[in-house]
Amino acid sequence: GQQVMQIPQYQHVQEGEDFTTYCNSSTTLSNIQWYKQRPGGHPVFLIQLVKSGEVKKQKRLTFQFGEAKKNSSLHITATQTTDVGTYFCAGPRGNTPLVFGKGTRLSVIA
Amino acid sequence: SQTIHQWPATLVQPVGSPLSLECTVEGTSNPNLYWYRQAAGRGLQLLFYSVGIGQISSEVPQNLSASRPQDRQFILSSKKLLLSDSGFYLCAWSTTGLYGYTFGSGTRLTVV
Repeated sequence: GQQVMQIPQYQHVQEGEDFTTYCNSSTTLSNIQWYKQRPGGHPVFLIQLVKSGEVKKQKRLTFQFGEAKKNSSLHITATQTTDVGTYFCAGPRGNTPLVFGKGTRLSVIA
Repeated sequence: SQTIHQWPATLVQPVGSPLSLECTVEGTSNPNLYWYRQAAGRGLQLLFYSVGIGQISSEVPQNLSASRPQDRQFILSSKKLLLSDSGFYLCAWSTTGLYGYTFGSGTRLTVV
């Protein structure tokens, strides 16, 4: 079945450094979604990308959807301690629910 | 506005005991409802989903079951818990045409 792979599994950065997490699907996705889960919390929806090659920005966060709609990335510029958490990508499997990647856990060292 | 309630927040249960976790959604009609499980430090595994009252789709064969007795109520149950059932259980809802899933605050279940 469809799998969504995410790398890296963990990332430790100094505050102010940039961070990128990558998501790859074994099949073409109709859309891709990104979520953030703070330590001890629940996943919170960040954004959805639908179009091939789409790029969206939310303040210091930049989301990209690949031309083939099989990969995506989340880039954070100048990380802050408030960015700490696990970032998940997720894609629908046809008409069935989202398949989530295993997430990238971001630690920010002040 | 829409809200999702999930309880209890934490639960410690002995092996072999039953389980009932409840999730309710307010402020929307006919939501799609989901149960996910997250093992410690791991990703989200879909357990069950429902697109309407009485309709349940199971993703993973196991000793858990789900029911949807009312439009905005989703229940996760087990007759006899196993140690491997420990984890963080998350309920979520979505509506066709709206972006993203909204998750409840989750239940941390420890089976001892």
